[in-house]
Amino acid sequence: KQEVTQIPAALSVPEGENLVLNCSFTDSAIYNLQWFRQDPGKGLTSLLLIQSSQREQTSGRLNASLDKSSGRSTLYIAASQPGDSATYLCGGGGNMLTFGGGTRLMVKP
Amino acid sequence: DAGVTQSPTHLIKTRGQHVTLRCSPISGHKSVSWYQQVLGQGPQFIFQYYEKEERGRGNFPDRFSARQFPNYSSELNVNALLLGDSALYLCASSFSLTSGANVLTFGAGSRLTVL
Repeated sequence: KQEVTQIPAALSVPEGENLVLNCSFTDSAIYNLQWFRQDPGKGLTSLLLIQSSQREQTSGRLNASLDKSSGRSTLYIAASQPGDSATYLCGGGGNMLTFGGGTRLMVKP
Repeated sequence: DAGVTQSPTHLIKTRGQHVTLRCSPISGHKSVSWYQQVLGQGPQFIFQYYEKEERGRGNFPDRFSARQFPNYSSELNVNALLLGDSALYLCASSFSLTSGANVLTFGAGSRLTVL
């Protein structure tokens, strides 16, 4: 059974910092790894999808990597902004995603 | 282009009642999945439907059921509501069952409160 863990659970940084969010999974036979953003009380917004055959994906200030052998994915956010404040979730699998508990990020002006 | 739409957005029920939540996928998407997100936790998979057939079921009791209609919209039904069913229920759609670039798109969710 796939288990996904996200560390840290919460993170507070000053504006402008580069930061890394971590996602660990137990089953290396993970199909895809998708990173999402969730604002309070809202649904999930897809940020990046890393397919099984890929090692990383980039979109703007975001870069996500996937290392199946070590069971880890990281989301790198460059030059953080207050608007980046949200909960970040990683989910592994195909359509039946297993999610971590999320990292609650606060970027202070 | 409309995204995934869910209704109702908020609802309050009492223990023992029944609830029906609805989801319309993105046009052209044939797969719909349902997730339950309890406050402070990540979403948990409930059901996946593709072409009107159940293709996956998470670890939820039989009080939870779902179906998908010919237009690919879907309903999630929960019977005999318990306080612990209070959560944000999320619907996600995708074009296919599984494929390399199969991005899940989520709706805004239906927040259920059970009193």
